[in-house]
Amino acid sequence: GAVVSQHPSWVICKSGTSVKIECRSLDFQATTMFWYRQFPKQSLMLMATSNEGSKATYEQGVEKDKFLINHASLTLSTLTVTSAHPEDSSFYICSAQTRGVFYIADTQYFGPGTRLTVL
Amino acid sequence: QQPVQSPQAVILREGEDAVINCSSSKALYSVHWYRQKHGEAPVFLMILLKGGEQKGHDKISASFNEKKQQSSLYLTASQLSYSGTYFCGTDWGFQKLVFGTGTRLLVSP
Repeated sequence: GAVVSQHPSWVICKSGTSVKIECRSLDFQATTMFWYRQFPKQSLMLMATSNEGSKATYEQGVEKDKFLINHASLTLSTLTVTSAHPEDSSFYICSAQTRGVFYIADTQYFGPGTRLTVL
Repeated sequence: QQPVQSPQAVILREGEDAVINCSSSKALYSVHWYRQKHGEAPVFLMILLKGGEQKGHDKISASFNEKKQQSSLYLTASQLSYSGTYFCGTDWGFQKLVFGTGTRLLVSP
């Protein structure tokens, strides 16, 4: 259980174009999804928290107009990188959070990631 | 303010033990441990909650010291499949995780 898919797994685009990345929870409903960015040999840096039916909450320093997040349903969140530039090249990973019951904490399950290369 | 993990990297022979530490500068509600292999998504290992609990499954266990704001992950009789980068994710009560600096583990035959 707790499977999260991400599509595409990799994408190469030209500078100035927009790229959309999808994140789906396949066997559970996720009221909250998270988007992370990871540079080589570095940790996961949270970009934004996405709640179904409401606006995403962005971390400090993340441009909300550049990284558009839509959480249209309990199983789907999308990240659109608008007007991508080479410095946006990175590994983008989403996670979907299961709701803990009783005293079990909420748990995040990660998608396989999307490697974005902007030329 | 990112949690600091130690050691940064460790190399083991198959069958040896390792301990990975995660230190937080803030009070912790819970600690989540993940393992990530190169180019793949992090895989959930376990959660530890407030209360100083210990947990484990198979040969991987962890402890959580609330007072010291630390958690440790114990890998015993390591296997080749344990290789990867281990991250602690700390919950500071803000409905999100802040991930540690990471520990790269390599288990050789």
